[in-house]
Formats: sequence, structure tokens, C-alpha cells
Amino acid sequence: GEDVEQSLFLSVREGDSSVINCTYTDSSSTYLYWYKQEPGAGLQLLTYIFSNMDMKQDQRLTVLLNKKDKHLSLRIADTQTGDSAIYFCAESNSGYSTLTFGKGTMLLVSP
Amino acid sequence: NAGVTQTPKFQVLKTGQSMTLQCAQDMNHNSMYWYRQDPGMGLRLIYYSASEGTTDKGEVPNGYNVSRLNKREFSLRLESAAPSQTSVYFCASTRTGGANGYTFGSGTRLTVV
Repeated sequence: GEDVEQSLFLSVREGDSSVINCTYTDSSSTYLYWYKQEPGAGLQLLTYIFSNMDMKQDQRLTVLLNKKDKHLSLRIADTQTGDSAIYFCAESNSGYSTLTFGKGTMLLVSP
Repeated sequence: NAGVTQTPKFQVLKTGQSMTLQCAQDMNHNSMYWYRQDPGMGLRLIYYSASEGTTDKGEVPNGYNVSRLNKREFSLRLESAAPSQTSVYFCASTRTGGANGYTFGSGTRLTVV
């Protein structure tokens, strides 16, 4: 079945850029998503990218997609302590399809 | 502006007890989902309903049943709870196609003792 892999932990200093990486195996993925989960909360959609795009920018967030290598990254510019959370990569393959999630990357931002 | 509402937020059950987790969305979404989240395991799909009147198994359906009561509501039932079902349960919904992403509820934290 489909698989989504992420590194488990990333630590950065406030003001630095953070890059969270994700790889996936499903070559028919249509949409790729990044979700943020703060402690004790549900998942919040941060951004998504359609599979025919290479890049998407949304304020401090930049998503890069390398479809050939099935590699997705999320860059957070000027990382703040409020960005500390778990970030999930997810993929779907259109229509009624379900989301397949990675195990999440815990981002810790220190002052 | 409620989005996806889950009840209850917390629950403790004894092994063998039954309960139903409730989920309702007010966004006129067609598709609804139940996931469970366990430490180190990410989110795993239990059941989903692509549209009103249909339900399908996900990755980990054993020990659960679901009901799509109407377009708004999708419930998850544990008939005989087991300690392995201790988890955080999330309900989600989306329009057909999912391009705008899935909206998640805030979760139900279930402990089975």
C-alpha cells in the first residue's frame, strides 16, 4: 500500500528557517498536504500542493515537490516559537480517496 | 462556524463496555472519516464514508462499526472495548475531491482500562 515517511524530529532556533521533509511511494498521488498539530488539538491544514505543481508559496510557507523522486518539503521562514508543533505530511489520490499520513515531524523552536 | 464537532472529548471505559463516538459537520461535506492517532504511529484510517449511505473499511477497522446517519453525522461504535483501543480518535470531513483539504475535529481521547 501507500507509504509516507518523515523524519521524526527537528530542532531550530527562533528566526531560522525550518525545512521538514517527506517522501511518499504512491505515484498516482494527486494532492499532497501539510498539517500542523499543536498539543492536545486536532490537525490544522497548513497548505497543499497539486501533483502537477513544483512549488507553492503562502506567506512564510514554501512547499517544494519533486515528483520524480516523490519528495515533498515544507520550508518555514523566520520560524517562531509558536511554530513548535507536530507537522504531518499526507497524500491522497483524488476523488473520494482517503488520506495517508506520515508519522509526523516534531518541530521544536528554541528562543 | 463550528466545522467538525466531536463528542465526547474525553472518555474512560472498562474492558468490554461499549460506546459510540459522535461526529457532526456543518460544511455540507460529502465525505467523512474516522482516524485514530497513537504515539509513533501517525494517523490510521478506521472507516470512511465517501457519501451519504456508503461506508468503507480503512486500514484498522477491526473492533469498530460506523453509521452514516445523514449527510452531517458519522458515528463510530466500539461494541466491546479493549485496552488496544486506547487512543485519540479524530473525525474529518471533506468535499468530494478533497482539493481543499480535510477538516478535522478536535478529537476524542479514549482510555480503556
